[in-house]
This record gives sequence, C-alpha cells and structure tokens, in this order.
Amino acid sequence: DSGVTQTPKHLITATGQRVTLRCSPRSGDLSVYWYQQSLDQGLQFLIQYYNGEERAKGNILERFSAQQFPDLHSELNLSSLELGDSALYFCAGSRGLRDEAFFGQGTRLTVV
Amino acid sequence: AQSVTQPDIHITVSEGASLELRCNYSYGATPYLFWYVQSPGQGLQLLLKYFSGDTLVQGIKGFEAEFKRSQSSFNLRKPSVHWSDAAEYFCAVAFYNQGGKLIFGQGTELSVKP
Repeated sequence: DSGVTQTPKHLITATGQRVTLRCSPRSGDLSVYWYQQSLDQGLQFLIQYYNGEERAKGNILERFSAQQFPDLHSELNLSSLELGDSALYFCAGSRGLRDEAFFGQGTRLTVV
Repeated sequence: AQSVTQPDIHITVSEGASLELRCNYSYGATPYLFWYVQSPGQGLQLLLKYFSGDTLVQGIKGFEAEFKRSQSSFNLRKPSVHWSDAAEYFCAVAFYNQGGKLIFGQGTELSVKP
C-alpha cells in the first residue's frame, strides 16, 4: 500500500457526462500528479500540482481540469465525456519536486 | 525528443531463471530513472530509483538495475524469478526541470512459466 488513496475505484458513466476523481496523497506529500493509462497511449502525464498551485501540464484535454485543495488532496474533473476517455486514471504523490512519486491504485473509468 | 523505450513488449521466463528487462532513454541532461511494477488490476509500485552515485541500484523484491550512461540504458535484473513476479514493468524518467513529471516506456509484460 503506497498510502495514496484514490476514489472511486471504478466508475461507469455515459457519454456527455461529467465525473470527478479524487486523490488523497500521503501525509507530507506536497506534489500531486495525474496520469492516464490507456491501451493505445500507455501512461501519459496529465497535470501536476504543487502546494496548491499548478506546476506542470501535459497532454490534458481542455474538457479536463484539476485542482489541489488546501488540505493537499486533489480532484480531476472530466467533462463532456467521450468513449475514448475510458481509461485508468492514476494519481501520484511526492514529498517535493525532486522526489520519487508513489502511485494510488487508480480509478478505472468506463464511458458507455 | 525526450523518450523512454522498452524494446520488449512481452517476455516469458521460467521460474528460477534470471531476468533482464531492457530500458533505453533519450534525455539531454542527467536522468532520474525509475522502474515501476503493475500487477493486474493494481496500481504502480516503485521497485527502485536512480538519482546519482553508484550506478548499480538495489530495489525491493530482489530487483536491481544498472545505469549505463554510455548506452543510455537502465536495465532491470533479477537473478531468480518467482511466479509472483509476473506483472507489467515500466521504466520511467523524471524531468525535474519540468516539475518532476514522469515519462514512461510502453511497458514489458513478464510471464513466468512453472
């Protein structure tokens, strides 16, 4: 157990809907990363927050957004969902900006 | 462009045999390198990391990896594979000048024959 908690574990929703994925990093983690894992794209970096501020952005769609709250948990919001958004979404936490990242168990999103 | 390549998509080894998973990276500066393992339906577990210093690093579960700058490689090894090692293995490089995001290879799926 990495200590990084993601909820929910599974999510099934219809096209066009909006969902929110939640991540609680380990105590002491200031940095939170979001990744998407799909069969065709592999593991792709989406976005990073550090101590409440957006730090880096990857190939994140405009329909997706994220934030990190004062208690350092993070949420990833996915809207206007399409079938192609079906994937495993991982959150990872690290102590600082130059520390290894520890991953949660992921949220499996299925868009039908 | 910065990238990580794992040349082997799938490897099968017999239980008790040795294992080497290959990883090559393309990165201009000194890399921070990692190996993660993903069991079916599970998250990514950190096996080991290389930041600097000794180029042979030890990890959990009996794994080790060797950083070779001249070959831009960071291969993962284990002297004797156990059936429980069957999983997917990902090599990754961190870009700390870009906040620490990880670039992953495509993964190598390891099957273990009894």
